[in-house]
Amino acid sequence: QVQLVQSGAEMKKPGASVKVSCKASGYTFTSYFMHWVRQAPGQGLEWMGIINPSGGSTNYAQKFQGRVTMTRDTSTSTVYMELSSLRSEDTAVYYCARREISGYMYYWGQGTLVTVSS
Amino acid sequence: EIVLTQSPGTLSLSPGERATLSCRASQSISSSYLAWYQQKPGQAPRLLIYGASNRATGIPDRFSGSGSGTDFTLSISRLEPEDLAVYYCQQYGSSSPTFGQGTKVEIK
Repeated sequence: QVQLVQSGAEMKKPGASVKVSCKASGYTFTSYFMHWVRQAPGQGLEWMGIINPSGGSTNYAQKFQGRVTMTRDTSTSTVYMELSSLRSEDTAVYYCARREISGYMYYWGQGTLVTVSS
Repeated sequence: EIVLTQSPGTLSLSPGERATLSCRASQSISSSYLAWYQQKPGQAPRLLIYGASNRATGIPDRFSGSGSGTDFTLSISRLEPEDLAVYYCQQYGSSSPTFGQGTKVEIK
């Protein structure tokens, strides 16, 4: 069965970077793109970007351009999302979600809480 | 960027009643690339509807989606207590997917 297992909660200081991982299993890793979506406390869902695990190409939301980097490791079937220059507004739960062939998101990770506080 | 506006913000209904949630797009969504997700407190979103009207695997037939172009609707025919959640629409027809701000469904 398809599973997306994310890394644990992180606490960071303003200005630091965070790297969240999402380990995929139960399917051919390179056959499906992976989205990253975040959700600030009590707020809605916000799309951050997408990575193609096959070639590593990415497409980032304009809001995060220059601050986000998505990478993958095909040997471990893991995708990563690194966000730099963290500020308090980046406090959120970060999700990975597999892009299905038709484009929607069916499988989601369990979420990773990133807290940014001095 | 396609902006999705959901209404109402909160819907408070009794069990057994019908819920109607609206999602309006700032521009036409190609090929009805519109999905609906349910998110319960403390959980990741769960896909309910894709392609505007197709139920995802395992979703009860109480849930139905309709619409095209810029106006879409999620209906829950007979509300159950377990339907307490926030519901989001999402467009995936452009290179930058976007979500609506959500509709919270409360059970009286």
